[in-house]
Amino acid sequence: DTGVSQNPRHKITKRGQNVTFRCDPISEHNRLYWYRQTLGQGPEFLTYFQNEAQLEKSRLLSDRFSAERPKGSFSTLEIQRTEQGDSAMYLCASSLATAFGGYTFGSGTRLTVV
Amino acid sequence: DQQVKQNSPSLSVQEGRISILNCDYTNSMFDYFLWYKKYPAEGPTFLISISSIKDKNEDGRFTVFLNKSAKHLSLHIVPSQPGDSAVYFCAASDTSYGKLTFGQGTILTVHP
Repeated sequence: DTGVSQNPRHKITKRGQNVTFRCDPISEHNRLYWYRQTLGQGPEFLTYFQNEAQLEKSRLLSDRFSAERPKGSFSTLEIQRTEQGDSAMYLCASSLATAFGGYTFGSGTRLTVV
Repeated sequence: DQQVKQNSPSLSVQEGRISILNCDYTNSMFDYFLWYKKYPAEGPTFLISISSIKDKNEDGRFTVFLNKSAKHLSLHIVPSQPGDSAVYFCAASDTSYGKLTFGQGTILTVHP
């Protein structure tokens, strides 16, 4: 297990299209987080899961965004009817619920909406 | 509202000298603080953390200081190395494993 894996690394889509990103966390980590980062800003929290349960969603996560973590393993983040303002780096991270020491982040998926 | 602020967008330091990165926060519920380092085209990498029961934590060349009364933390890197050049983010949480609130980041450049 080499870390948190995110696919694709880059995605260019036309405005109005739907996109889906995948995150494979470290296998023994039961918590999984999604963040979004725009240029010049720090990562902003979107949502997180403990196992398959989605425990919290940010108000940044509009109705066009949905995240799932079936069976508590990998997770998907879908954006419907993409807008230019959705262009950002989408970061996934995982951790153990009982650990304090920081998450392990993936390398992210860069979304460009044209 | 920006609950975690890094007011210096960039910092330039000579190799071998000390780098001091600063971070301020406003939410008094924050009890856990972390620093991350980020290289281009990579995700943030955890560096060091501190909980509010401490005022200092050290790991090799990296030391984090926490001043709860001032709602201020800082990261000291001694001695600085060119490989330390990256974007540094401070982050805070009100639980030991919950969501993190990040600052805007500080670009550190260490010159040989």
